[in-house]
Amino acid sequence: DIVLTQSPDFQSVTPKEKVTITCRASQSIGSSLHWYQQKPDQSPRLLIKYASQSISGVPSRFSGSGSGTDFTLTINSLEAEDAAAYYCHQSSSLPWTFGQGTKVEIK
Amino acid sequence: EVQLVESGGGLIQPGGSLRLSCAASGFTVSDNNMNWVRQAPGKGLEWVSVIYSGGNTYYADSVKGRFTISRDNSENTLYLQMNSLRAEDTAVYYCARGVSRAFDCWGQGTLVTVSS
Repeated sequence: DIVLTQSPDFQSVTPKEKVTITCRASQSIGSSLHWYQQKPDQSPRLLIKYASQSISGVPSRFSGSGSGTDFTLTINSLEAEDAAAYYCHQSSSLPWTFGQGTKVEIK
Repeated sequence: EVQLVESGGGLIQPGGSLRLSCAASGFTVSDNNMNWVRQAPGKGLEWVSVIYSGGNTYYADSVKGRFTISRDNSENTLYLQMNSLRAEDTAVYYCARGVSRAFDCWGQGTLVTVSS
């Protein structure tokens, strides 16, 4: 199985700061990496697909990059509403797997 | 509007069975790859199973042989039959549509609690 390791596990950030979350895969997955946001007591929401493709309705401050084994989710100019857990997910090979999650707290 | 609504969760004793349902609206279940994903209390996301539009099914090792994914095309509904339930199956279960293998639509989730 492909293991996805996110870092950091937790980040406390001031509004308007830039946030960077990384996801490292245990083997190359090309660009088959997606990012989700999950706010407390809500279902996950797709933010970025295939490493860098934007999703309709998602604010432009969210962006993704990377390929192979190393990927990054960037939140430019963090807003209070971005307090959430963020997960990466690989669909390169079954079983699909998720990273352990990164919790972003607003200072 | 594309929407998924899960139901069927509840409290069940270890060794028991439960069937979850996921009613879809705004799209056709059988035209899409449909997934079940679960989240244990306070934990991260774990993929459980997928049924492809062509009908092939796959499972996580943790549920293989105990869970069965299926769909009813006439009802436009996805199901997850869960047998031989264990305490470690306790979680919120989400159904999710996979479009090009990214999960673009999720239900609200249904809580399954396995406890005596």
